[in-house]
Amino acid sequence: GAVVSQHPSRVICKSGTSVKIECRSLDFQATTMFWYRQFPKQSLMLMATSNEGSKATYEQGVEKDKFLINHASLTLSTLTVTSAHPEDSSFYICSAPSQGRAYEQYFGPGTRLTVT
Amino acid sequence: QQQVKQSPQSLIVQKGGISIINCAYENTAFDYFPWYQQFPGKGPALLIAIRPDVSEKKEGRFTISFNKSAKQFSLHIMDSQPGDSATYFCAPNFSGNTPLVFGKGTRLSVIA
Repeated sequence: GAVVSQHPSRVICKSGTSVKIECRSLDFQATTMFWYRQFPKQSLMLMATSNEGSKATYEQGVEKDKFLINHASLTLSTLTVTSAHPEDSSFYICSAPSQGRAYEQYFGPGTRLTVT
Repeated sequence: QQQVKQSPQSLIVQKGGISIINCAYENTAFDYFPWYQQFPGKGPALLIAIRPDVSEKKEGRFTISFNKSAKQFSLHIMDSQPGDSATYFCAPNFSGNTPLVFGKGTRLSVIA
């Protein structure tokens, strides 16, 4: 099956610094990717839709200047958490829709961000 | 507006028993009804999914039952095993490249 990777899997950063998370589709092209955030013991909440070659679409309540998304190629989307604060600590997960089976989505393994 | 309601929130089942998780949705435009399985520290993975033109789909020990008129679908895990212990999410979807609408999740524990 299709594979989506994320890097890094875990990151610890200090408050005020920026962190970049990469999401790659390894064996298929993804014109669209989605970024979710998941707090402990909670569900996945959509943060934004990343579109190759155009601006990302953010969900209500998500600060686009804080969570910068860049979808520079058909296999790579990046999420940069700028000026991170402890409340940004969370599990960030990306997904990409299948090209062949339009309803199916493939999820990355997630990135655990801890801001100290 | 909460489009998806999942129940129960948690479930404890004896090994070999049947686990049943329910999902109710509001948006009649949904046309794809998947269940995702997530282990701690991992991303969710598609477990089984159904389209609205059938009422039931079985894959091994996993069955989806779909009731279009009631706007509900459920996941049945037969002969539940400790390895099935995970969090399960329903995530009804629209056709095309649209994001998933996740239920709140059900934490399943299968005890020996």
